[in-house]
Amino acid sequence: EVVLTQSPATLYVSPGERATLSCRASQSVSDNIAWYQQHPGQVPRLLIYSESTRAAGIPARFSGSGSGTEFTLTISSLQSEDFAVYYCQQYDKWPPTFGQGTRLEIK
Amino acid sequence: QVQLVQSGSEVKKIGSSVRVSCKASGGSLSKYGVRWVRQAPGQGLEWMGGIIPSFGSANYAPKFQGRVTIVADEETNSIYMELSGLRSEDTAMYYCAEGTSTRMLSGLDPWGQGTLVTVSS
Repeated sequence: EVVLTQSPATLYVSPGERATLSCRASQSVSDNIAWYQQHPGQVPRLLIYSESTRAAGIPARFSGSGSGTEFTLTISSLQSEDFAVYYCQQYDKWPPTFGQGTRLEIK
Repeated sequence: QVQLVQSGSEVKKIGSSVRVSCKASGGSLSKYGVRWVRQAPGQGLEWMGGIIPSFGSANYAPKFQGRVTIVADEETNSIYMELSGLRSEDTAMYYCAEGTSTRMLSGLDPWGQGTLVTVSS
């Protein structure tokens, strides 16, 4: 199965700054990548699908990029509500798989 | 938007089975179907399987093949996930989520509120 490796495991960023989260796939997954946000004790929320398409209601400060095996989620200007755990998911190869997550914490 | 409402928490014995329901409230089951994902305490997300009712049969991740059964009841707008042969490591929050396309391989949105399944001896 496709292994997704997210880095870093924990990212410390100050509010108002830019955050860049990475997701590397063990083989090409085309642009079939999604990103999810999860706050403690809450349900995951879809942010990005098809590598760069924002889901309904997701602010423009969230953007996705990349292709093949290297993908990036960028949050342009961090708000307090953005500090959470972020997961990437590939849905190109069977079975769909998730990365282990990146925890975004306040610096 | 349709909301997915899951059944309540369960406590099960090792070796038994658990059945979790996921009901589409505010509308019918989506043409995109439902997938199931679980999350062990403090851990990441794990895709289990899914069903697109109009296509008929369910599809399962290899890890769960033979232990999980997912069925749809279109009369009640509900999807059921049954996991058998429970082990302590099956203790997790189980989520249903709607697919973002009619392909089984898709993103997930929206998600149900989750059902905590605790397996103990």
